[in-house]
Amino acid sequence: DADVTQTPRNRITKTGKRIMLECSQTKGHDRMYWYRQDPGLGLRLIYYSFDVKDINKGEISDGYSVSRQAQAKFSLSLESAIPNQTALYFCATSESTGAGRYTFGSGTRLTVV
Amino acid sequence: AQSVAQPEDQVNVAEGNPLTVKCTYSVSGNPYLFWYVQYPNRGLQFLLKYITGDNLVKGSYGFEAEFNKSQTSFHLKKPSALVSDSALYFCAVRDGSNYQLIWGAGTKLIIKP
Repeated sequence: DADVTQTPRNRITKTGKRIMLECSQTKGHDRMYWYRQDPGLGLRLIYYSFDVKDINKGEISDGYSVSRQAQAKFSLSLESAIPNQTALYFCATSESTGAGRYTFGSGTRLTVV
Repeated sequence: AQSVAQPEDQVNVAEGNPLTVKCTYSVSGNPYLFWYVQYPNRGLQFLLKYITGDNLVKGSYGFEAEFNKSQTSFHLKKPSALVSDSALYFCAVRDGSNYQLIWGAGTKLIIKP
C-alpha cells in the first residue's frame, strides 16, 4: 500500500459544486501539506498542518479549506468550485524535524467545468 | 524574497551522454536544497538534498548535485543519461529557519535513444 493515499485520483465537477479531496498517510508523520500543480508554475502551497491542532494557510488558500481529522488524515475542500481551480492536487507529508524530505501522494486530477 | 529558478523549461539529451539540469536560488540564511523527480501520472519523489557538508551530493538513480554557494546554484547531474530518466525535475529550497519549501517551476528532461 502507498505511504500517502489520495482519493479520488480523478474528478470532474461542475462550477459551484462543493468537493472534497482526501489524503491519508501511513508514514506516521506529523506534518501534512496540500499543493496545487499547474503547468509551468511548479507547486504552490495551499494549506499545511504541523499537527492535528495546527492549520496554516499557504500562498494560495483563497477558495479552499482544510480539515485535519487525525494525524493520518488531511482533507482539502473546494467550497464552490470554479474553472480556474482545475489542476493537479498533491498531498504530502514530512517529518517533524523539518529536514525537507517530503513524501507525496499520487495526486488528484480535478477538472471543473 | 526567497525564490528558486530553473532557467530551462526543457532539456534534451542523447542517451549515454552526461546531463545537467540547472537550479539557482535566493534565500536568506543557510539554504536547504532539494531535487525531486516526477514521472508521468505519479507524485514527486525525493532524489537528494544538501544541508551541509560536501558540496557534491549523491542521490538516487545515479544522480548527483553540486552546491555552489558563490553562484547560488544547485545543478543536478548524471554522468550517463538513460531513457528512463525522462521525467519532470523540480528543485526546491528551504530557509534554515522556515518550514516551507519553495519550488522551482520544473524542468522537463527528455532523453532520446
